[in-house]
Amino acid sequence: GQQVMQIPQYQHVQEGEDFTTYCNSSTTLSNIQWYKQRPGGHPVFLIQLVKSGEVKKQKRLTFQFGEAKKNSSLHITATQTTDVGTYFCAGNTGGFKTIFGAGTRLFVKA
Amino acid sequence: KAGVTQTPRYLIKTRGQQVTLSCSPISGHRSVSWYQQTPGQGLQFLFEYFSETQRNKGNFPGRFSGRQFSNSRSEMNVSTLELGDSALYLCASSNPPSTGDGYTFGSGTRLTVV
Repeated sequence: GQQVMQIPQYQHVQEGEDFTTYCNSSTTLSNIQWYKQRPGGHPVFLIQLVKSGEVKKQKRLTFQFGEAKKNSSLHITATQTTDVGTYFCAGNTGGFKTIFGAGTRLFVKA
Repeated sequence: KAGVTQTPRYLIKTRGQQVTLSCSPISGHRSVSWYQQTPGQGLQFLFEYFSETQRNKGNFPGRFSGRQFSNSRSEMNVSTLELGDSALYLCASSNPPSTGDGYTFGSGTRLTVV
């Protein structure tokens, strides 16, 4: 079945350092979404990528969708303590089921 | 606008019992999806409903079932509860993917089976 792998599982960074999480799908995706879940909270939608090779930015966050539409990445520049949480990618193959990656938990040390 | 509302927020049940969880989506959203979240397994897809029809189902046993009503509100039921069913159950509502809005999650129901 469809699988979405996400790495790393955990990442500890010093405040001000950059952070990247990667997402790989076993099948071609029609779109990929990214979510952030703060500790004790629920996932919150960040962005959706649809086009091959698409790059979108939200302030210090940069999202990329691979040319083959099988991988994606989220890069945070100069992390802040407010970036703490778990970042999930979620892939959809065009059906009615969105598969979430296991998430990358980001720890930021001030 | 009001968000996705899940009730109850917390629930403690005994093994062998059954439980019903409720989800009220954002007004206008017709798609409702359910996910199980556990520390070791992440977010696992349970099922998705649209206009009272289940369009897709995850790899969960038949003890897990759901339904959607004409007002888009959804319920999920777990029968014969097992200790391993302890988890955070999240409901998410959405517009069609073409809108690019993603899922809006509720705060979840934390189920503990003892």
